[in-house]
Amino acid sequence: DAKTTQPTSMDCAEGRAANLPCNHSTISGNEYVYWYRQIHSQGPQYIIHGLKNNETNEMASLIITEDRKSSTLILPHATLRDTAVYYCIVRVVGNQFYFGTGTSLTVIP
Amino acid sequence: ETGVTQSPTHLIKTRGQQVTLRCSSQSGHNTVSWYQQALGQGPQFIFQYYREEENGRGNFPPRFSGLQFPNYSSELNVNALELDDSALYLCASSYNRAYEQYFGPGTRLTVT
Repeated sequence: DAKTTQPTSMDCAEGRAANLPCNHSTISGNEYVYWYRQIHSQGPQYIIHGLKNNETNEMASLIITEDRKSSTLILPHATLRDTAVYYCIVRVVGNQFYFGTGTSLTVIP
Repeated sequence: ETGVTQSPTHLIKTRGQQVTLRCSSQSGHNTVSWYQQALGQGPQFIFQYYREEENGRGNFPPRFSGLQFPNYSSELNVNALELDDSALYLCASSYNRAYEQYFGPGTRLTVT
């Protein structure tokens, strides 16, 4: 059911930008891309979402390719508290989220 | 604004027993979704309730059932517990079906 592919793990130096890629090559025209993160078995935390255009909020930026087959989540200045599992999700009709296995991001001091 | 709350935090049950997990949605939210997260895996969608009606179901057997109340709180019931039901159960609420979901802290269920 998962319609996304992400790297299993990534490292990022503290203070640098963390760029997390996601492949969603089978995405349909009306399906949104959502990003969540989960810290240490807490409930997942909403980060950002988008349909076609690039989006930015206080937490991150989301870059979606023109063909919508992939996207990148950017954390502009990673901190140790950004260490978490990051999930890229394609939202199917009816707002039913299908999570993959996510990317485990480790921010290194 | 109160966030999503779940109860209990942890519980231990024996194989074959039944369990009820509870979720209070965030204020103003009318949609509740339930997820099962096994250790080391991403959350798996169980089902969703919108205005007290089931609005979609994942690949889970009928012994997983749910309910949503007029105040939009929700229950997840699991009958005939199996060892593989041991997991973190997450509840998420949203305002209507088209908005971002906000997750609760989860209930850790252990089946022995």
